[in-house]
Amino acid sequence: EPEVTQTPSHQVTQMGQEVILRCVPISNHLYFYWYRQILGQKVEFLVSFYNNEISEKSEIFDDQFSVERPDGSNFTLKIRSTKLEDSAMYFCASSGRGRSYSEAFFGQGTRLTVV
Amino acid sequence: RKEVEQDPGPFNVPEGATVAFNCTYSNSASQSFFWYRQDCRKEPKLLMSVYSSGNEDGRFTAQLNRASQYISLLIRDSKLSDSATYLCAVLRGDTGNQFYFGTGTSLTVIP
Repeated sequence: EPEVTQTPSHQVTQMGQEVILRCVPISNHLYFYWYRQILGQKVEFLVSFYNNEISEKSEIFDDQFSVERPDGSNFTLKIRSTKLEDSAMYFCASSGRGRSYSEAFFGQGTRLTVV
Repeated sequence: RKEVEQDPGPFNVPEGATVAFNCTYSNSASQSFFWYRQDCRKEPKLLMSVYSSGNEDGRFTAQLNRASQYISLLIRDSKLSDSATYLCAVLRGDTGNQFYFGTGTSLTVIP
């Protein structure tokens, strides 16, 4: 069964450092997402990506964040200068068809710890 | 007002019980509705989509009430393995392709 894969599973970084979280969405999917979940809290939307550009982003997704789809398979989230409050589980997701009736499938997540 | 609201629980039920969760959404432009299951420190996994006509998958039944803007999930004959957090998710068509998640409802099935 096709699945979304994320690497690394756990990343520890020092405050102020840049991190890149990587995702390989399901191959025929068109929409890609990044979500984050701080321990014990809800799943929060960061950004959606379609047709090689950001289609929507939340208030959390400030100038420190960027996304790229550098080739046909990878989808990356970069945090330029990490803060302690960026510590969270980051989930990548993808969905297939158009805007309606399209389930999103999640990767296993990357646990980011900023120290 | 939050896009999606859920009772966080926790719900503690004995094995074999029937349990129901509700979720309300605030925006009438919402188009698609889903229930996800999330185990501790794991990713949300799609449990089922929710259709206007209602849908059933084994012990799980999902319903959508557009007029009242809520969706529900019914679990019959609860198993220990059903213990998890259940998230409802709503896809709005008017804001691009963003899924809004509720905070999740925690379920523990007790032997």
